[in-house]
Amino acid sequence: DAMVIQNPRYQVTQFGKPVTLSCSQTLNHNVMYWYQQKSSQAPKLLFHYYDKDFNNEADTPDNFQSRRPNTSFCFLDIRSPGLGDAAMYLCATSRDLGQNNEQFFGPGTRLTVL
Amino acid sequence: GEDVEQSLFLSVREGDSSVINCTYTDSSSTYLYWYKQEPGAGLQLLTYIFSNMDMKQDQRLTVLLNKKDKHLSLRIADTQTGDSAIYFCAERSGGYNKLIFGAGTRLAVHP
Repeated sequence: DAMVIQNPRYQVTQFGKPVTLSCSQTLNHNVMYWYQQKSSQAPKLLFHYYDKDFNNEADTPDNFQSRRPNTSFCFLDIRSPGLGDAAMYLCATSRDLGQNNEQFFGPGTRLTVL
Repeated sequence: GEDVEQSLFLSVREGDSSVINCTYTDSSSTYLYWYKQEPGAGLQLLTYIFSNMDMKQDQRLTVLLNKKDKHLSLRIADTQTGDSAIYFCAERSGGYNKLIFGAGTRLAVHP
């Protein structure tokens, strides 16, 4: 089945130690998104890629970066994780950016910062 | 600014109807969505409504939109235990498919 895959499902890192979360998709979609969802809060968009074009949300901290080496993969890099970065990180894809392009979500990676 | 609000918790008896409510602020939103999140899983799109519609029905799901009051609701008929999950309301904002989510309503279905 075509899908959005996130690895690992659970990630533990130490305060200040860089960590990378991975997302892959078999849908061949042009757009990939990263959302941060803190406990009992709304998922919040961090950034998205349209093909190779990177689009950062205005309030996304500089500590968060992303790479998309090809259509299928997108990575979220957290350079120096703080305790406040503990959250579920959701990857999503959509075919395009136009009207009502459904976003398909992966199962998420839960990040713990010790 | 953009904001979506939902009540955090709803408990219903199996077989009853559930109504989950949501308010949003962006009057230019063209599409409004309901997503479902089961434990350990990602967000699954349940249904959506275009802003020029008042109602949309899809099997057990009925979406009502009051654009004047910026109020959206999701009614689940004959609620089952398998409907227990967190339900997120979202509005589409901006020209690039950005979704603004509410904090989610946890639906608990009891016998």
